[in-house]
Amino acid sequence: KQEVTQIPAALSVPEGENLVLNCSFTDSAIYNLQWFRQDPGKGLTSLLLIQSSQREQTSGRLNASLDKSSGRSTLYIAASQPGDSATYLCAAYGNKLVFGAGTILRVKS
Amino acid sequence: DTEVTQTPKHLVMGMTNKKSLKCEQHMGHRAMYWYKQKAKKPPELMFVYSYEKLSINESVPSRFSPECPNSSLLNLHLHALQPEDSALYLCASSQERSVNTEAFFGQGTRLTVV
Repeated sequence: KQEVTQIPAALSVPEGENLVLNCSFTDSAIYNLQWFRQDPGKGLTSLLLIQSSQREQTSGRLNASLDKSSGRSTLYIAASQPGDSATYLCAAYGNKLVFGAGTILRVKS
Repeated sequence: DTEVTQTPKHLVMGMTNKKSLKCEQHMGHRAMYWYKQKAKKPPELMFVYSYEKLSINESVPSRFSPECPNSSLLNLHLHALQPEDSALYLCASSQERSVNTEAFFGQGTRLTVV
């Protein structure tokens, strides 16, 4: 059974800092890994999809990496802004999408 | 257009009521999903439809009944729910239920059972 863990559970940083969110998964037999953002009480917004054959993906200030052999993915956020404050979820897709518990990010102005 | 639309946004229902949640996408996706999310927890998969056929039921109680009338529409029929069923219900879709397809989520229906 796939288990996905995210560290840290919560993070508070001043505006402008670069930061890294970590995601680990127990079963490396995944097809892809997806990072999402969730604002309080809202749905999930897809940020980045990394296919199993890829090592990383970039979108604007976001960069996500994937190391299937070690069961790890990281989401790097450059020059953080208060608008980045949200919960960040990673999800590993084997035969279904399994989510981690998320990292609650607060960027202080 | 990468939009998944869910209605209603909020729903309050009594334990003897029957109600339905609706989800719609026009991206030509052939896989659609229902997830349940309790406060401060990650989404948990309930059902998966692939090409309008139910392919996964995660042992969900029968008081939840999914329906996929066509490739664009997914419903979740609710009957005799319990207060502990109160949660955010999320619908998602992807191109296919297979490799390397990105999942898109709706904004959810906030359900309160009284």
